Amino acid sequence: DTAVSQTPKYLVTQMGNDKSIKCEQNLGHDTMYWYKQDSKKFLKIMFSYNNKELIINETVPNRFSPKSPDKAHLNLHINSLELGDSAVYFCASSPIVGLSYEQYFGPGTRLTVT
Amino acid sequence: KNQVEQSPQSLIILEGKNCTLQCNYTVSPFSNLRWYKQDTGRGPVSLTIMTFSENTKSNGRYTATLDADTKQSSLHITASQLSDSASYICVVSEGDYKLSFGAGTTVTVRA
Repeated sequence: DTAVSQTPKYLVTQMGNDKSIKCEQNLGHDTMYWYKQDSKKFLKIMFSYNNKELIINETVPNRFSPKSPDKAHLNLHINSLELGDSAVYFCASSPIVGLSYEQYFGPGTRLTVT
Repeated sequence: KNQVEQSPQSLIILEGKNCTLQCNYTVSPFSNLRWYKQDTGRGPVSLTIMTFSENTKSNGRYTATLDADTKQSSLHITASQLSDSASYICVVSEGDYKLSFGAGTTVTVRA
């Protein structure tokens, strides 16, 4: 049973397109996150939602729009994709709001923009 | 300058040997420090979490140490196995709303 799942695992698309990545967690956690891992392997937090409400929004272009239909799902929609958006995107969840608590990561979605 | 620096950037060890990874941080105030293991093509998995008052914590063959005074942590891998080949990431939290990630140390274990 996968705790945090993401779809798709790989996504190849052209510049200018709009795409979505889906994330679901079956851990019953209240808080979910999106991270971006660039080619240098640095992980950077993008967004955090607690019970469907946005609580962290780092400096991310407004082309990125997270959507949380319920606390078990946090999807990431990206408009007008650019080459620099190519990265691995990780979804994560934690039982309690707050970055000081342990987080459980999904397997990642490798996005390649050509 | 990144607030979490890890060294070495990469290392290669023979199966069965021990190794130690370093993490120096400048984050302040400090809430906790975590070590994650990230296998190629997978998401990070937590190995240890240490708060200010803890100076050592073990998880099987992984032992993390923390010196909050010098702001240094280490992760020691004992009797390495091929499955230990991965990237090890040090993460420091500053309160509930800020996380700083290291770039990771890539460990390759060879038979």
